[in-house]
Amino acid sequence: DQQVKQNSPSLSVQEGRISILNCDYTNSMFDYFLWYKKYPAEGPTFLISISSIKDKNEDGRFTVFLNKSAKHLSLHIVPSQPGDSAVYFCAASALGFGNEKLTFGTGTRLTIIP
Amino acid sequence: DGGITQSPKYLFRKEGQNVTLSCEQNLNHDAMYWYRQDPGQGLRLIYYSQIVNDFQKGDIAEGYSVSREKKESFPLTVTSAQKNPTAFYLCASSSGWDGVSPLHFGNGTRLTVT
Repeated sequence: DQQVKQNSPSLSVQEGRISILNCDYTNSMFDYFLWYKKYPAEGPTFLISISSIKDKNEDGRFTVFLNKSAKHLSLHIVPSQPGDSAVYFCAASALGFGNEKLTFGTGTRLTIIP
Repeated sequence: DGGITQSPKYLFRKEGQNVTLSCEQNLNHDAMYWYRQDPGQGLRLIYYSQIVNDFQKGDIAEGYSVSREKKESFPLTVTSAQKNPTAFYLCASSSGWDGVSPLHFGNGTRLTVT
């Protein structure tokens, strides 16, 4: 049972435009969310996170939005750059539980078209 | 530069052989993890360790074993009992294990068993 879902396996966006990556979750215990970025043949790197006490967190070109009632989060990248081409994983955890309970989505491959 | 080193990058083994994947970190992190990534799936936790000389099974521990004799090192052995060992294996560490400390990943080992 996939508790964290990224329903779009791939996404192509023109350079300079906005990229929006979506993630849905089913477990209402989840209250902390992270996005990781992964280049081919490399390990994922942490990008941005958000706690359920917020509905938005921004870091430069990256903004994560959380809609708790819809159990949905999204990562916005503005403007998109060629170096953003990668696979993006969302992950969810419940505060009070350790990283061993971190649940990952299946990833979305983002391709930025020059 | 601090980081996590996984070796080798690619590993080929015959069916029925045990194989050990190396993971070393110089981040001074207490917690270390092993994940497995298969196409179209999220990262799945194999084993984790929160402190030296202690480790716990993750979601898919069958057919794997680990040791944590030193803080810096967390090798993973894929045994012949693992039914489907061909995969991309990722080692990670975190400064805390509280669910909010981001994971730092190595660049992975791609294991192919024929």
